[in-house]
Amino acid sequence: GAVVSQHPSWVICKSGTSVKIECRSLDFQATTMFWYRQFPKQSLMLMATSNEGSKATYEQGVEKDKFLINHASLTLSTLTVTSAHPEDSSFYICSARDPGQGLVGTEAFFGQGTRLTVV
Amino acid sequence: AQKVTQAQTEISVVEKEDVTLDCVYETRDTTYYLFWYKQPPSGELVFLIRRNSFDEQNEISGRYSWNFQKSTSSFNFTITASQVVDSAVYFCALGSGNTGKLIFGQGTTLQVKP
Repeated sequence: GAVVSQHPSWVICKSGTSVKIECRSLDFQATTMFWYRQFPKQSLMLMATSNEGSKATYEQGVEKDKFLINHASLTLSTLTVTSAHPEDSSFYICSARDPGQGLVGTEAFFGQGTRLTVV
Repeated sequence: AQKVTQAQTEISVVEKEDVTLDCVYETRDTTYYLFWYKQPPSGELVFLIRRNSFDEQNEISGRYSWNFQKSTSSFNFTITASQVVDSAVYFCALGSGNTGKLIFGQGTTLQVKP
């Protein structure tokens, strides 16, 4: 099956710094990728939809200036948490849809996730 | 509005017991997709099953089985003869159309004790 790789797996950063998380589709071209956030013992909440070559679409309540998303190629989307604060500490996970599967295959392939701790 | 409800927050069973995880969904779409994922402590999401709205056949895969009932908007997941390795958080998710975007339920933490 399709593979999505996310890097890094975990990161600790100081408050006020920025952190970049990468999401790569390894064996397919993903025109659309998704970024989710999961706080401890909570569900996954969609943050934004990343579209190759255009601006990301953010869900209500997600600050687009704080969570910068870039989808510059068909295999890479990046999420940058700018001026991170302790409340941004969370598990961030990306997913990508393989358009080659057609309309039926809407399975989203997930990366391994990134655990961000802001100290 | 789309919504997924997993009413069971935590379930604890003893090994070899059968356990059913409930999932109820809401959607106005006529074409939609339902998923179950397993999330072990390491955090990654392990895909278990996808079911299309136009296919109500139940499915069995080893010790896992799924019961899809459109009449009650439910997509329940049963583990037969549970094992300690089944301990994890299980998420039910809903996808609509062909967007690939998923709405997750709150998750059910399953603890299987030896």
